[in-house]
Amino acid sequence: GAGVSQSPRYKVAKRGQDVALRCDPISGHVSLFWYQQALGQGPEFLTYFQNEAQLDKSGLPSDRFFAERPEGSVSTLKIQRTQQEDSAVYLCASSLAGNRAHGYTFGSGTRLTVV
Amino acid sequence: EDQVTQSPEALRLQEGESSSLNCSYTVSGLRGLFWYRQDPGKGPEFLFTLYSAGEEKEKERLKATLTKKESFLHITAPKPEDSATYLCAVQQVDDKIIFGKGTRLHILP
Repeated sequence: GAGVSQSPRYKVAKRGQDVALRCDPISGHVSLFWYQQALGQGPEFLTYFQNEAQLDKSGLPSDRFFAERPEGSVSTLKIQRTQQEDSAVYLCASSLAGNRAHGYTFGSGTRLTVV
Repeated sequence: EDQVTQSPEALRLQEGESSSLNCSYTVSGLRGLFWYRQDPGKGPEFLFTLYSAGEEKEKERLKATLTKKESFLHITAPKPEDSATYLCAVQQVDDKIIFGKGTRLHILP
């Protein structure tokens, strides 16, 4: 597709439920980032992939958060035993390797609400 | 600690009233500084990349500049459609990107 696609667009989860958020990057984009954005805040880094390799996961807030990109394209962010503090918009961004000149293309995000 | 600080947090301007948004940063190594625009309910939209002190980029009513410690986004004669949150982000040498909290800009007609 022409842009980064994220699904679902909205997700309501009961506290304790597991959720999986999907990101389809632009075809051929090597780098993929996940960010968490709380209301009124800037995006906070979660994790970064180059192809299928997860190069940095230092931003994942706890061991309940897990991300994968097994074939170097689609990525899934999984949150186990969701808590209310996990409520946020989860953004995915992708780019060609080293292509800083055009920045990173973001998806519209998944808004997660934990009730 | 590496960080990116944007000011002001919010800014209200009359249509045509020019102003500047600030982004100051402290990082161990800078590979690039980005400016993004974010509209409500959408992901950030790329505006500019700046690589080195002294560099400037322009697009329509926006001009971004960079020094060794900060960047400015200058908005000339803004229109209501320029209302959005403007985000600054820096890319470190390990490719990690850190965002500021943004400046919410509101242009009154």
